[in-house]
Amino acid sequence: LAKTTQPISMDSYEGQEVNITCSHNNIATNDYITWYQQFPSQGPRFIIQGYKTKVTNEVASLFIPADRKSSTLSLPRVSLSDTAVYYCLVGDGRDDKIIFGKGTRLHILP
Amino acid sequence: DTEVTQTPKHLVMGMTNKKSLKCEQHMGHRAMYWYKQKAKKPPELMFVYSYEKLSINESVPSRFSPECPNSSLLNLHLHALQPEDSALYLCASSRQTGPQETQYFGPGTRLLVL
Repeated sequence: LAKTTQPISMDSYEGQEVNITCSHNNIATNDYITWYQQFPSQGPRFIIQGYKTKVTNEVASLFIPADRKSSTLSLPRVSLSDTAVYYCLVGDGRDDKIIFGKGTRLHILP
Repeated sequence: DTEVTQTPKHLVMGMTNKKSLKCEQHMGHRAMYWYKQKAKKPPELMFVYSYEKLSINESVPSRFSPECPNSSLLNLHLHALQPEDSALYLCASSRQTGPQETQYFGPGTRLLVL
C-alpha cells in the first residue's frame, strides 16, 4: 500500500495562499492522488485529483512533480471557512481500497 | 443529486441491543462503502460493496454485519457492540470501485455504545 505522510497541522491567515504537501514515496504506476476535505461532524468531501503535473479546479490546485513521490495541494486566498482537515489519498492499484492518511488540520486565523 | 443520506444521525445503544444504520444514494453508483471514524482520526475502511456484492471486508468483527439489498441502499446491522465501537460511521458511494473514482460521503451516524 502506498503510505502517505502529511504535516499534522498548519495555521494560516485569511487571504493567504496555503500549500499542504503530501509525501507518497511508494506510489505505484497506476495510482491516482486524491485530496478530500472534512469539516467536524461531516463526511469528507472531494476536492481535487491528479495523476501527474498540475491540475486546477475552482477550489484548488494540485501540483505533482515528475517523480510523483509527493504532491502539493494549493488553496488560494483562504477564508475562515477553509478550517478543516485535509486528507491526501493514494489509491492502491492492486485492489479497490483507498486508505486515508492521518490528514492535516488546517486552522485559518482572522 | 449528488447526495448520500444516512439515518439515523445519532444513535445510542446498549451492548445487548440490535440496531441498523441505513445509507441511500440515487446517483446510480455501483460501489458503496462503510467507514468508521474515531475522534481526531482518519476514516477507516470497513466494507466495500461492488454491484451489490461484498468485495472487501477489512477484518471487521462479526458484530458488524453489512447488507446491500439493492444498488441504492446499504445497511449496517449492529449487534452486541462494545463501548469502543462508539464512533462516527460514514457511508460513501462511487460510480465504481477503483482508486480514481471520487467517493461521495454521507454526513455519518454518530454512534454511542453504553
